[in-house]
Amino acid sequence: DAKTTQPNSMESNEEEPVHLPCNHSTISGTDYIHWYRQLPSQGPEYVIHGLTSNVNNRMASLAIAEDRKSSTLILHRATLRDAAVYYCILRGTGTASKLTFGTGTRLQVTL
Amino acid sequence: ETGVTQSPTHLIKTRGQQVTLRCSSQSGHNTVSWYQQALGQGPQFIFQYYREEENGRGNFPPRFSGLQFPNYSSELNVNALELDDSALYLCASSLETGFQETQYFGPGTRLLVL
Repeated sequence: DAKTTQPNSMESNEEEPVHLPCNHSTISGTDYIHWYRQLPSQGPEYVIHGLTSNVNNRMASLAIAEDRKSSTLILHRATLRDAAVYYCILRGTGTASKLTFGTGTRLQVTL
Repeated sequence: ETGVTQSPTHLIKTRGQQVTLRCSSQSGHNTVSWYQQALGQGPQFIFQYYREEENGRGNFPPRFSGLQFPNYSSELNVNALELDDSALYLCASSLETGFQETQYFGPGTRLLVL
């Protein structure tokens, strides 16, 4: 599986936008970029995914670089509830749709 | 719609013992994946079950085994427990296997091996 690189931690103030970067320079043409997050004492939850075009949903936006070697998860207005570990994951089209997690970015949100 | 549930929530075992962890998948989901999450690490894929058959396995020894039942609930069995098996065990269900299906995770079972 292609590898992703994320900063270990980031901080944000509440109500401000947050940009969480992810590098994936060895991404293949068929790899989708997925983001999951894990709130304290919970299992991971799906946030968003995309292939080439930028994507928006009610939780976040995903901006994908033109060469697809990096992407950015954007939380438009961070709240305390967004404090979590955010994982950027590449998923191919293999027979078992496993998720390969790295160590993620721990996001702290302060008042 | 009921989400993914796991039991028990916490468990303490001693080295050499065997353990069974249980997972009820979300309604309508026929695929269950199991993950192990050590403290401070991301979850690691153990294996996946699709319609009662193993459908992919990560880098875990054979003493990690599983079952999926006709109602798509699942069990993870670990034999000959080792100290390093202490971790949070997560179960995730999805509607199908394969193409970019969202996985829905349960809250996990925290296992401590003494």
